[in-house]
Amino acid sequence: DGGITQSPKYLFRKEGQNVTLSCEQNLNHDAMYWYRQDPGQGLRLIYYSQIVNDFQKGDIAEGYSVSREKKESFPLTVTSAQKNPTAFYLCASSRADYNSPLHFGNGTRLTVT
Amino acid sequence: KQEVTQIPAALSVPEGENLVLNCSFTDSAIYNLQWFRQDPGKGLTSLLLIQSSQREQTSGRLNASLDKSSGRSTLYIAASQPGDSATYLCAAISGSARQLTFGSGTQLTVLP
Repeated sequence: DGGITQSPKYLFRKEGQNVTLSCEQNLNHDAMYWYRQDPGQGLRLIYYSQIVNDFQKGDIAEGYSVSREKKESFPLTVTSAQKNPTAFYLCASSRADYNSPLHFGNGTRLTVT
Repeated sequence: KQEVTQIPAALSVPEGENLVLNCSFTDSAIYNLQWFRQDPGKGLTSLLLIQSSQREQTSGRLNASLDKSSGRSTLYIAASQPGDSATYLCAAISGSARQLTFGSGTQLTVLP
């Protein structure tokens, strides 16, 4: 079955440590996205990539970094510069045309103490 | 900047009832509007996508409509079932960067 795999499901880190969230897709989608979801709020875009080796900042990119070395993979690093990193992180992908729906992974819940 | 609003934030209905979820957006120059379902602790599942040139889309018991001029979309769920209990989010693609802007969702509970 094609889909998006995010790992791990739960992640715990101490304040001041960088942490990398994994996102892999086998849907052959060109575009990939990272969103952050906080309780009672909608999803906010962190970074997105339309093609390999290229990515763009979203609305809340500060304190995060990404890479897109392969079409299938779009890892997100939460750095120590992110002031409030505890959240639910969702990865998504879609075809390049903007009238194709987004497909989401099951998310990673990051807790930083 | 696009803003998407969903009211109410929560809704509880008895099983079998037909219901309507509302979504409004501030910038009518959208490319499409999407409806998603999210179960607790899970990712989002795409339900319906309405292109800007369309007025509605249907899938099973779900029907979504789009009125760009008034900045509104509705998701109609017929004959609701307890399994429909989830959070429903709408999102609009707009702007030169064609970014997806999400509403904060409506948490639906269907009581058996």
